[in-house]
Order: sequence, then C-alpha cells, then structure tokens
Amino acid sequence: SYVLTQPPSVSVAPGKTARITCGGNNIGSKSVHWYQQKPGQAPVLVIYYDSDRPSGIPERFSGSNSGNTATLTISRVEAGDEADYYCQVWDSSSDQGVFGTGTKVTVL
Amino acid sequence: QVQLVQSGAEVKKPGASVKVSCKASGYTFTSYGISWVRQAPGQGLEWMGWISAYNGNTNYAQKLQGRVTMTTDTSTSTAYMELRSLRSDDTAVYYCARVMGGWFDPWGQGTLVTVSS
Repeated sequence: SYVLTQPPSVSVAPGKTARITCGGNNIGSKSVHWYQQKPGQAPVLVIYYDSDRPSGIPERFSGSNSGNTATLTISRVEAGDEADYYCQVWDSSSDQGVFGTGTKVTVL
Repeated sequence: QVQLVQSGAEVKKPGASVKVSCKASGYTFTSYGISWVRQAPGQGLEWMGWISAYNGNTNYAQKLQGRVTMTTDTSTSTAYMELRSLRSDDTAVYYCARVMGGWFDPWGQGTLVTVSS
C-alpha cells in the first residue's frame, strides 16, 4: 500500500514560516490534500489539489508538490496555527484514501 | 451550510458490535460519497473505507475487511458504519467525512467508541 511520511514535529517562532513535508513515492503524480487538527476537534481541510485553498482558509497557507515530496507552507505563523497537520492522497490503484503520519506544529 | 452530525459516544464490550450514524445536511446527499476515518487515542488518522451515496458501492481498508459494513439511507440522508467483533484496539474517535474530488470536507464532529470489559 502507498505510504506517506511526515516529520513528527516542527517548531517555529511567531511571524516566521513553517514548512511541513510529506514524502511518498512519486507523490508529484498524485493530488495532495492537507488537514489541520486542533486538540479535541475534527480535522479541517486547509489545502486541496496540492495548492488550492478552501474558502475561509487564510492566504498564509499554501502548498506545493513535486517529485517525491509535497510541502505545506504556513507563512507569518500565528499562535492559533499550533495544531497537528496531516497530508492525504487518494490511491487510485486501490481506490483508497491514505493519510500521512502527521506533524505536530509548535509555535514557540 | 454543509454539515455532518454524528451519533453519540458508545461503550462496548470486546466481541460486541457498534453502529455509528452520520446525518448529512446542506447538500444533495446522493451526489457525494462518505468516508469513515478513525483516530486511536494519541495516534494519527486511519482511513477505514468509503461508500457512494449514489449507488451504495463500497471499498474498505484491507485490515478491516470482514468486520466493517458501511451503508446509507438516502431517505434520511444518513450514513452508517458498523464495526463487529470489537477489540480493545478499536477504541478510537470515529469520523465521517464527505468525499469530494479525492479529499474529505467537511468532517463530522466525531464519535468516541470505547471498547472495554
């Protein structure tokens, strides 16, 4: 089955930029989606189709995808961005969803 | 607005079954699928499977094959997930989510299922 690997944690100072990677075999050929999950809450979609933002998601959230790595970038990080972030793809060969291992973002 | 509302928390004994519901509103239910995702305490997200609300077709994660059944009731715009032969490692928060073009949005609020003797 398809495997997505994320760093367990990323720390960033307020106002700086956080980059969260999602590694997978030739992930650049797939569409990658990202979710934010705060403690005790359901996940929320923040990026779909590699780099599109749903309505209501700040422009500070952006995404890219190429080769074997997709990246979620959070610019001008705020305390409210502290959360777990998960990447996700749809594996068309098995018709199944696949989630990354998750990254905890800590705002210093 | 588009909303998914799930049933309440459950406590079950090992070997029992649980059925969680997910009521959709704010969109045409049969135009999208529903996926189920679970999250064990302190762990990541695990995709369980999905069902087409249009024709009832399903696809389940291999590790749950034979223990899980997903269904829909189009008359009430409700999706259901039944998990049988519960074990302690099935203790988790179970989420339903609308399936869009390969992504999930929105999600239900989650249902805690606790398996304990």
